Amino acid sequence: DAKTTQPPSMDCAEGRAANLPCNHSTISGNEYVYWYRQIHSQGPQYIIHGLKNNETNEMASLIITEDRKSSTLILPHATLRDTAVYYCIVRVNTGTASKLTFGTGTRLQVTL
Amino acid sequence: ETGVTQTPRHLVMGMTNKKSLKCEQHLGHNAMYWYKQSAKKPLELMFVYNFKEQTENNSVPSRFSPECPNSSHLFLHLHTLQPEDSALYLCASSQQQGNGNTIYFGEGSWLTVV
Repeated sequence: DAKTTQPPSMDCAEGRAANLPCNHSTISGNEYVYWYRQIHSQGPQYIIHGLKNNETNEMASLIITEDRKSSTLILPHATLRDTAVYYCIVRVNTGTASKLTFGTGTRLQVTL
Repeated sequence: ETGVTQTPRHLVMGMTNKKSLKCEQHLGHNAMYWYKQSAKKPLELMFVYNFKEQTENNSVPSRFSPECPNSSHLFLHLHTLQPEDSALYLCASSQQQGNGNTIYFGEGSWLTVV
């Protein structure tokens, strides 16, 4: 699976949009971009994923560049409860059972 | 609520004890995983099961013994552990259906070895 690079930490004011970047310059054509977050002492929570097109759901938006070498997770109106570590992962189905390889992620701190 | 339930949530055990962690998924998935998260370290994949068969063992010491009796249940049997094995153990599941199948995690079991 391709490696990703994320900033170690970011701050965001409550109510503002949080834009979390991720570089995945060695991504392969069949690898998806996944985003998870982990709130302290809890299991990782799935947020969103995409292959080529931008995606949006009730939690966030995912913007993938045309060359697929980077992406941005957007939390449109961050709240204090969005404080967590956010993981960007690229992943291919191995054909037997897929797996996620986690890096160190971005620690997002939402402040008043 | 993710549909993946882990018990117990907290476990303290001595180095000579034998205990087990249990995971149950209510999502109809056919793949299950064990991950380990030590303090200030990224999550590490331990084992992967697909249709009850182990498909990956990520060089895990034999003092950790997984068991997958069916596609809905996964156990991690623990014996003669070391204090450095203290960590958050996470179970996850997914449905194999080609690219893009999402993995869902449980809340984890906090293990302390004394």
